[in-house]
Formats: sequence, structure tokens, C-alpha cells
Amino acid sequence: DIVLTQSPVLAVSLGQRATISCRASQSVSISSINLMHWYQQKPGQQPKLLIYRASNLASGIPARFSGSGSGTDFTLTIDPVQADDIAAYYCQQSRESPNTFGAGTKLELK
Amino acid sequence: EVQLVESGGGLVQPGRSLKLSCAASGFTFSNYYMAWVRQAPKKGLEWVATISTSGSRTYYPDSVKGRFTISRDNAKSSLYLQMNSLKSEDTATYYCARPLDYGSYEGWFAYWGQGTLVTVSS
Repeated sequence: DIVLTQSPVLAVSLGQRATISCRASQSVSISSINLMHWYQQKPGQQPKLLIYRASNLASGIPARFSGSGSGTDFTLTIDPVQADDIAAYYCQQSRESPNTFGAGTKLELK
Repeated sequence: EVQLVESGGGLVQPGRSLKLSCAASGFTFSNYYMAWVRQAPKKGLEWVATISTSGSRTYYPDSVKGRFTISRDNAKSSLYLQMNSLKSEDTATYYCARPLDYGSYEGWFAYWGQGTLVTVSS
């Protein structure tokens, strides 16, 4: 199985940039298609799709969210961070079954 | 508006069975692969099962293969998860999920239900 590694916690100040990373144990890209996706989850709520195929913003998601990366290294950037962004963030790969998730990064206020 | 509403969760003893349901609305259900994803308390997300548009193809991770069965009724716009031989490690909130695009196995999910909690305990 492809293992996705995320840092457990990231502390950030409001108005600053948050950079959340996800490293895969093997490449999740096929040609130029990067099969990495990002979700936001707030306590007591279902996950919400933020970014698909590494860099595509999902419908209704603010432009302060962006994604980048290829191969094994991917990044979700939130700039600037707002109070409503305090949540857990999960990466997920769809390159290979089982389609695994990272353990999540909890974004906290500094 | 896409809506996915799960039901059927509850407390069940180890070794017993439980069937979850997901009622879908706001889209043409028969055009989409559908999936179940679970989340153990205070833990991360785990894909559990996927089913093709017609129901003829199903996919599972090794952790549930042989114990869980995903199915669908396109006439009722409903998705199901039959869970047998339940273990304590199956305790989780189970989400019904749909990909963004129709007709193909994407493996990632644009729409999620609110989830139903399954607790396996004696």
C-alpha cells in the first residue's frame, strides 16, 4: 500500500501562510496527472474536498487555498489563514488501490 | 443539490452483522460509482468499499474483504454496506461518498454524507 506521511500539527498565526505537506512512499503521478487530493475536516463534520489532482480547486472553495506538487511530494497552501480554516487536513492518493489517506495535519492557532 | 444521507448505524456485538444504507438525491444516482469511507474515533480516514454504476464490479481493501459487501439499488437511489463478522476495530463513523465525475472509478470524493456511527462492543 502507498503510505502518505503528514506532520501531525501545524501552528500558524491568523493572516499568515500555512504550508501543509504530504509525502508519498512511492510516486502517485501518471504522466502529467498527479493523483493526490486534499480534504478539510472540522470537528463533528464530514470531510470536504478542497483540491483534486494536486492543484485543481474544488467548487466553492476560496482561492486562498492552493495545491502543488508531483511524484511523491505535495503541498497544500492556505494564504492567508483565516479563523474558519482551523481544522484537520488530509491528503489522499488515487494512484493505486487501496486509495489511502494521510493521517492528517491539525492546523492550530499560534 | 447533492445529498447523501446515511442510516443504520448503532451498537452491535462482536461477530454480529449490521447493514448500512445511504439515500442519495440531487443527481442521477445510476451514473456514478459510489463508495463507503470510515473514520475510527479520533483517527484518520480509511476507504472501505466502492461499487460500479451497475453494481457488477466491487472493490475492497484487504481489511474488510470477505466480511463487508457493498451493493446498490439504482431504482431507489440507494447504496448499502452489509457488514458481517464485525470486530471492535470496525468501530467508526461510516460515510457514503461520491466522486466528482460520472461513469468512472476516480478513487477520490467530491461529496460526502454526514456519516453514521457504528460501535462494535460487547
